[in-house]
Amino acid sequence: SQQGEEDPQALSIQEGENATMNCSYKTSINNLQWYRQNSGRGLVHLILIRSNEREKHSGRLRVTLDTSKKSSSLLITASRAADTASYFCATDATGTASKLTFGTGTRLQVTL
Amino acid sequence: DVKVTQSSRYLVKRTGEKVFLECVQDMDHENMFWYRQDPGLGLRLIYFSYDVKMKEKGDIPEGYSVSREKKERFSLILESASTNQTSMYLCASRPRGGGAKNIQYFGAGTRLSVL
Repeated sequence: SQQGEEDPQALSIQEGENATMNCSYKTSINNLQWYRQNSGRGLVHLILIRSNEREKHSGRLRVTLDTSKKSSSLLITASRAADTASYFCATDATGTASKLTFGTGTRLQVTL
Repeated sequence: DVKVTQSSRYLVKRTGEKVFLECVQDMDHENMFWYRQDPGLGLRLIYFSYDVKMKEKGDIPEGYSVSREKKERFSLILESASTNQTSMYLCASRPRGGGAKNIQYFGAGTRLSVL
């Protein structure tokens, strides 16, 4: 079952602009993670936020988590053409033996 | 760095063939996973293994089986390939433990076409 649903499905911005992607999920979680996938490649882990955290930063990435609304957002600041990729949220739901459930992803295109 | 290696990047097979997809990781991880990825559906878990010779069904195990004879290797088997198994297959691994250790490391993927 797909727990995480990303919004928007696709996003096109210009270099230097900020990109915001949202993720909604359905059940209680231990943590939520964001992954990036370059075209035709495997996924790479970006950042993990625990259920008791509200915000986390890593370089140009900022992740927020609102467990009351069961939602998270990923903000990429000052985007670059190299940020062009698909971004997936993944939830580590409680009681699932630490399996991750991935969403359908947001496809980000950053143009020069 | 963790390295997860999938044996083939691209594979073309005929309907009814038995297909083996191999995955090897070099970080002594206990847990390994097989996903398939289809447009609009995201990643769906086929099978996972939390130890040698152990396996658990994921969300879409039908038509697939797996083998984990050695800790570093996790094989996905399509007993009789069908056209609806044309997809991108991704292998992942992670160490034992939950919470912050529950980060998965992915291979580059195998794009399988069944004709």
